[in-house]
Amino acid sequence: DAKTTQPPSMDCAEGRAANLPCNHSTISGNEYVYWYRQIHSQGPQYIIHGLKNNETNEMASLIITEDRKSSTLILPHATLRDTAVYYCIVRPEASYNQGGKLIFGQGTELSVKP
Amino acid sequence: NAGVTQTPKFQVLKTGQSMTLQCAQDMNHEYMSWYRQDPGMGLRLIHYSVGAGITDQGEVPNGYNVSRSTTEDFPLRLLSAAPSQTSVYFCASSYGADQETQYFGPGTRLLVL
Repeated sequence: DAKTTQPPSMDCAEGRAANLPCNHSTISGNEYVYWYRQIHSQGPQYIIHGLKNNETNEMASLIITEDRKSSTLILPHATLRDTAVYYCIVRPEASYNQGGKLIFGQGTELSVKP
Repeated sequence: NAGVTQTPKFQVLKTGQSMTLQCAQDMNHEYMSWYRQDPGMGLRLIHYSVGAGITDQGEVPNGYNVSRSTTEDFPLRLLSAAPSQTSVYFCASSYGADQETQYFGPGTRLLVL
C-alpha cells in the first residue's frame, strides 16, 4: 500500500474551514484515499473516501488532485468537537482476502480553538 | 444494534498471565480486525479475519492468537502477557470487501506489570 505523509499537528479557529493535507505521491491507479478520525480515547471513526473524483458527505469534503499524488480533507465549519487526530490512509480497492485491513500512519492532530 | 462491543474496558495483568480480549458485533459483518495503539502513536493491525474460520496476520501479530468460530465474535488471546503488550486494543468490523468502512469498538486498556 502507498505511504502517506501528513503534518503532525494543525490549529483551526472554531467556525472556520479546516483543511487537512495528505501527500501520497506513490499512490497506484487502483488505490483509494480514506480518511478516519479519532477523538481522544475513542475508537476511530470513518469520515470519507474517494478514488479520483472529489467527494462530499455530511461530515466533510475530499479534494484529490488531478495527478492523485495529494489530497485535502475539508471540514467546512469546524467545531470544538472536531478536535481529533485525522488519519489519511491509502489502500487498494478491497479484494476478498484483504477486506478489513487498514494500515494507519501517524495522522494529524487537529486542534479547534474558540 | 449495539455495534461493536469490547470487554473488558480495562485490565491489569502480571507478566506471564494469559487472557482473552472479547469482541462482538451484531451487524452481520464479514470482516473483523484487531488493532493496538500505543501512547502517541497510530493504530497498528494485529490480526484480521475475512469471515468465520478465516484469519490472517497483520503488522504486529507476535504474542497474539485469534480465532473466528462465528461471524459475531473475534476474540484476541494473549498467551503469556509481557509489559510490551501494554496498550489500548481496538476491535473493528466492516460489512464486506467493497463496503469497507470500518466500525470500531470503544477499546480495551491493558496494563501488563
